[in-house]
Amino acid sequence: KQEVTQIPAALSVPEGENLVLNCSFTDSAIYNLQWFRQDPGKGLTSLLLIQSSQREQTSGRLNASLDKSSGRSTLYIAASQPGDSATYLCAVSLGREGIFGKGTRLHILP
Amino acid sequence: GAVVSQHPSRVICKSGTSVKIECRSLDFQATTMFWYRQFPKQSLMLMATSNEGSKATYEQGVEKDKFLINHASLTLSTLTVTSAHPEDSSFYICSARDLLSGNTIYFGEGSWLTVV
Repeated sequence: KQEVTQIPAALSVPEGENLVLNCSFTDSAIYNLQWFRQDPGKGLTSLLLIQSSQREQTSGRLNASLDKSSGRSTLYIAASQPGDSATYLCAVSLGREGIFGKGTRLHILP
Repeated sequence: GAVVSQHPSRVICKSGTSVKIECRSLDFQATTMFWYRQFPKQSLMLMATSNEGSKATYEQGVEKDKFLINHASLTLSTLTVTSAHPEDSSFYICSARDLLSGNTIYFGEGSWLTVV
């Protein structure tokens, strides 16, 4: 059974720092992996989608990597800003439903 | 832009009433859509798989009569929360599978339901 784990559960860093969020999954037979952002009381915003054949995707200050063989993905946020404060979720797709991690609550200190 | 549209994004309803949430695939046909629910401080959990033209498949512990799912067309699935109770207040999100793009699953933005 596929399990998705996100570490750390919560993270606080000073503004301007670069940071890495981690996502691990137990079954490497995935179709793709997505990173989302969820603000309190708001919906999900898709940040990056990595297909199983890809190793990374970049969007602005965000870079997501995927290592299927080790069952890991990282979300790198460069030059963090207070507006980056949110919960970040990763989800793997098995070609059927998606399975989510519990998320990392990120707080950027001004 | 979004390829899966979910509506409404936020809804408040009274206890005992029913509320419907729509999930539409905008740029592709989706024979399969999925509905999730997020419990407080928990991850998003799959509730059911919506199959176009047939009955939905519910995950263990999900009440079929409580959460009615209809997938009447290749671009629309609906989730109706019947006889809503404050305990049903939650974040609900749908996703749709695009068979023509390598089975990529696209997610809606989600709907916040508050039952008062």
